[in-house]
Amino acid sequence: DAGVTQSPTHLIKTRGQQVTLRCSPKSGHDTVSWYQQALGQGPQFIFQYYEEEERQRGNFPDRFSGHQFPNYSSELNVNALLLGDSALYLCASSSEQGYTGELFFGEGSRLTVL
Amino acid sequence: GDSVTQMEGPVTLSEEAFLTINCTYTATGYPSLFWYVQYPGEGLQLLLKATKADDKGSNKGFEATYRKETTSFHLEKGSVQVSDSAVYFCALSSGGYQKVTFGTGTKLQVIP
Repeated sequence: DAGVTQSPTHLIKTRGQQVTLRCSPKSGHDTVSWYQQALGQGPQFIFQYYEEEERQRGNFPDRFSGHQFPNYSSELNVNALLLGDSALYLCASSSEQGYTGELFFGEGSRLTVL
Repeated sequence: GDSVTQMEGPVTLSEEAFLTINCTYTATGYPSLFWYVQYPGEGLQLLLKATKADDKGSNKGFEATYRKETTSFHLEKGSVQVSDSAVYFCALSSGGYQKVTFGTGTKLQVIP
């Protein structure tokens, strides 16, 4: 049973560029959340997708946007990249019906902005 | 808003030493509380949880008790092993949906 998978694992961009990160949730999960983890910090909630809609959002600017597809996979898009966007981006999945409080995380996509 | 405060690291212990990592929280309502662990080169994973006051979560020899009166959820282990070396995150979830708020993490290094 595959867990949460994310791609790419590492990428380097320059300021002003745009990036798309991808996430496939754990089998049977329908809810995807995205987190940003800066070096030495805890994960910060970006937003959550359920039924292809963004239903909750953290304190992140509109440059951060996302999408959820009918197969529950998700994308995170960041426009007009800033140096401060350099971080590990984590995807977490869970099940709306069978939610026990546990999020299942991927290993993350490490973004470096030069 | 919700927040979690945990003791700063890094924490360095000898094998078989007693571990305590302090965690306090601020939240509206009655949050569920968690400890997540991030081993080197691996993704975050749930270590233990407690969903109501006085509950004790436990797993792999780790324990934490939900203390509503002190808004705390301290992580303890009686005898740490080298394999416990990791970053530990205290976290909470409240208010519906499945948003989890994390602390800044505490790095634990256990030396033989």
